[in-house]
Amino acid sequence: QQPVQSPQAVILREGEDAVINCSSSKALYSVHWYRQKHGEAPVFLMILLKGGEQKGHDKISASFNEKKQQSSLYLTASQLSYSGTYFCGTSQGAQKLVFGQGTRLTINP
Amino acid sequence: GAGVSQSPSNKVTEKGKDVELRCDPISGHTALYWYRQSLGQGLEFLIYFQGNSAPDKSGLPSDRFSAERTGGSVSTLTIQRTQQEDSAVYLCASSFRVRDFSPLHFGNGTRLTVT
Repeated sequence: QQPVQSPQAVILREGEDAVINCSSSKALYSVHWYRQKHGEAPVFLMILLKGGEQKGHDKISASFNEKKQQSSLYLTASQLSYSGTYFCGTSQGAQKLVFGQGTRLTINP
Repeated sequence: GAGVSQSPSNKVTEKGKDVELRCDPISGHTALYWYRQSLGQGLEFLIYFQGNSAPDKSGLPSDRFSAERTGGSVSTLTIQRTQQEDSAVYLCASSFRVRDFSPLHFGNGTRLTVT
């Protein structure tokens, strides 16, 4: 079943922070985050496994709460290059990866 | 190194014709996925192959869609009797192994337009 992302769209000024949420009605084993720029292929950001894991990549970090079946992506001090559509992908064990509908992030100067 | 390669990059076809889309995954990647992305929409799962296991075809929208993976490498997605609603970008992705939760590497996609 497809995870649900919120919000659907965010508009920020450069330097502001953003949080993108991803939730599932099913128990999760892992959560993937990807970013897709217009006209390009999605690019991998990070994977989180069960265990309340948190990860960081530059000023982009994420958390995973498997009890709540939720993950959140945090973008701190956003840069123009962060613009794009963010997708979370979820799996139940060693199975297919199903993506949410995406969150469109626009960073303005 | 070479990434995931998809061909053709663009395909325009008439309604009712059959089309074949090709995906060359990264060498050594045992998992291969097909997704469909309609304009401005999300990534719709179609099918996934993992090694020699039976593929998960649960996302194929109709029996007009089929896919195969030969020799555990190249994959072909076939759409028979194309319809206008089939117009979309078809993305292929591969990963090293599902059990290792390794990241997906996407190709640049095939943009299919059915007229």
